[in-house]
Amino acid sequence: ELKVEQNPLFLSMQEGKNYTIYCNYSTTSDRLYWYRQDPGKSLESLFVLLSNGAVKQEGRLMASLDTKARLSTLHITAAVHDLSATYFCAVGETSGSRLTFGEGTQLTVNP
Amino acid sequence: DVKVTQSSRYLVKRTGEKVFLECVQDMDHENMFWYRQDPGLGLRLIYFSYDVKMKEKGDIPEGYSVSREKKERFSLILESASTNQTSMYLCASSAAGVEGNEQFFGPGTRLTVL
Repeated sequence: ELKVEQNPLFLSMQEGKNYTIYCNYSTTSDRLYWYRQDPGKSLESLFVLLSNGAVKQEGRLMASLDTKARLSTLHITAAVHDLSATYFCAVGETSGSRLTFGEGTQLTVNP
Repeated sequence: DVKVTQSSRYLVKRTGEKVFLECVQDMDHENMFWYRQDPGLGLRLIYFSYDVKMKEKGDIPEGYSVSREKKERFSLILESASTNQTSMYLCASSAAGVEGNEQFFGPGTRLTVL
């Protein structure tokens, strides 16, 4: 059974600081996704990582995938208040289209 | 842009009622999914479908059924609603045979069962 763990689950940051959210998963996969969810809203796709060593960047967010370590990271650079949200990673099963989601990391960026 | 719509944003029902949640996608996606989201439990897969009239149980199918009569529409049915089914319900779709199988989510339906 595929298990996905994120840490930390809660993160309070000051504006301008850097931090990393970690996503570990338990079985082989080469498909990993990051989503953002604002309070009361649905999930918005941020990154799709499909191979070992994949790195993608959008603004102040950068995601990477290490399939050998079964680890993905979401790095936040110089955080701003607008980044406050819950971030989910999701891992694809080796066959089929199912995704297994982590518990989510609730990020709060304080002025 | 992929668009996934859900029939209601908020719904209030009484215990024992039959509840229908509708999801429609406009991108000709083969795969459709129903999740529920609860605080502290993340997203849990209820049912999914790879094709018209096909359905597969997810991790928590008890108390739910689904219907997929047309490719673009996937319905979640609560046969007899109970208070423990109060939750946020999210529908998603993805394309088959496309690298990545990225899932696109609808806006969600917040269901309250009294």
